[in-house]
Amino acid sequence: EAQVTQNPRYLITVTGKKLTVTCSQNMNHEYMSWYRQDPGLGLRQIYYSMNVEVTDKGDVPEGYKVSRKEKRNFPLILESPSPNQTSLYFCASRFGTRDEQFFGPGTRLTVL
Amino acid sequence: AQSVTQLGSHVSVSEGALVLLRCNYSSSVPPYLFWYVQYPNQGLQLLLKYTSAATLVKGINGFEAEFKKSETSFHLTKPSAHMSDAAEYFCAVSEIQGAQKLVFGQGTRLTINP
Repeated sequence: EAQVTQNPRYLITVTGKKLTVTCSQNMNHEYMSWYRQDPGLGLRQIYYSMNVEVTDKGDVPEGYKVSRKEKRNFPLILESPSPNQTSLYFCASRFGTRDEQFFGPGTRLTVL
Repeated sequence: AQSVTQLGSHVSVSEGALVLLRCNYSSSVPPYLFWYVQYPNQGLQLLLKYTSAATLVKGINGFEAEFKKSETSFHLTKPSAHMSDAAEYFCAVSEIQGAQKLVFGQGTRLTINP
């Protein structure tokens, strides 16, 4: 089944404790992206990747890192999480520029 | 720069009534436009997309949207609402060329009254 998977689905952590949210797609998509969803703000792009070893900042990249060492994986790293990073995070992937993005199920992160 | 405005953060309709969710966009180049739906505790699912072909686009679950360039609008409609349509709906825009970014609206929560 074609899908985007994220782990973990739920995470509660404390300020400053490094964490990684994994994202994997099995559709051989070149483009992958991370978004955060906050009430009243819709989804905002954090980082995106056009291909392996090619990443760029989205609208809200502060406090986040990403890497794209393999085509299928695009982990989101929070080196020192803060409470304002409490949010619902979505990973997405896309094949071509005309195509829609396919979204993962989301990761709900709470930083205390 | 692109932007999307969804008019109305909450819309409530009766079962069987017309659903109209409004979306206006701003783009300096011809856009691609999308409507996504998010059911409770789920990810986003594509409803329909406009990619410069027919201006009236039909999607899943009986939804459709019409691209109106003169009004910079891409409103979502469904003739008869069903209880299962209750969800949050997002309009999104990206540029045709170099379309790295998908810009989302704020979302509209649709409630269906029995």
